Amino acid sequence: DAGVIQSPRHEVTEMGQEVTLRCKPISGHDYLFWYRQTMMRGLELLIYFNNNVPIDDSGMPEDRFSAKMPNASFSTLKIQPSEPRDSAVYFCASRTQGAGYTFGSGTRLTVV
Amino acid sequence: GEDVEQSLFLSVREGDSSVINCTYTDSSSTYLYWYKQEPGAGLQLLTYIFSNMDMKQDQRLTVLLNKKDKHLSLRIADTQTGDSAIYFCAEVLGSSNTGKLIFGQGTTLQVKP
Repeated sequence: DAGVIQSPRHEVTEMGQEVTLRCKPISGHDYLFWYRQTMMRGLELLIYFNNNVPIDDSGMPEDRFSAKMPNASFSTLKIQPSEPRDSAVYFCASRTQGAGYTFGSGTRLTVV
Repeated sequence: GEDVEQSLFLSVREGDSSVINCTYTDSSSTYLYWYKQEPGAGLQLLTYIFSNMDMKQDQRLTVLLNKKDKHLSLRIADTQTGDSAIYFCAEVLGSSNTGKLIFGQGTTLQVKP
């Protein structure tokens, strides 16, 4: 298994631009999580899905952030418009009952 | 509230044992995890423990759980320079193992040769 796959690995964008981060969970995993990691706030859970349905989005910081999971093998996290304070590493993770949470390698986002 | 607390830094000499401590808040948590993050990398699952266990050993790693005090520790025996990383404690909120995984702020382990 290739694990959780995230793209891109690095993204540099200008303030005000739209940014889309992508995640492919492990096949068969029915839970998908988006986390953000910063020095100041550590690892924060943004949103998670079960069977493609958003269960808890209370960690999404603002309306500029949105996440979708159109099918079991793909999810996106979109920021529109992006701001410098959104600069962080964004991790996707997936799991299923009886398995641990497996994380992707992350997307390092820099908004200038 | 949802809070997992860890000390921020630990320095040990190669060959010594390292003990990283963590306190959590949700007494109904059934699973508690330890993750390792090397510089520029993602999070690697090291080990986990069920709440009905007091101890779990996996090669050089020993996890101790004190449910009464909501205290979790990770002991690394014979610490090597390759163990230098950030170690995160995490709890799953609620009694199901499929909910929110909440992390501590991470403990940076420095191993001196």
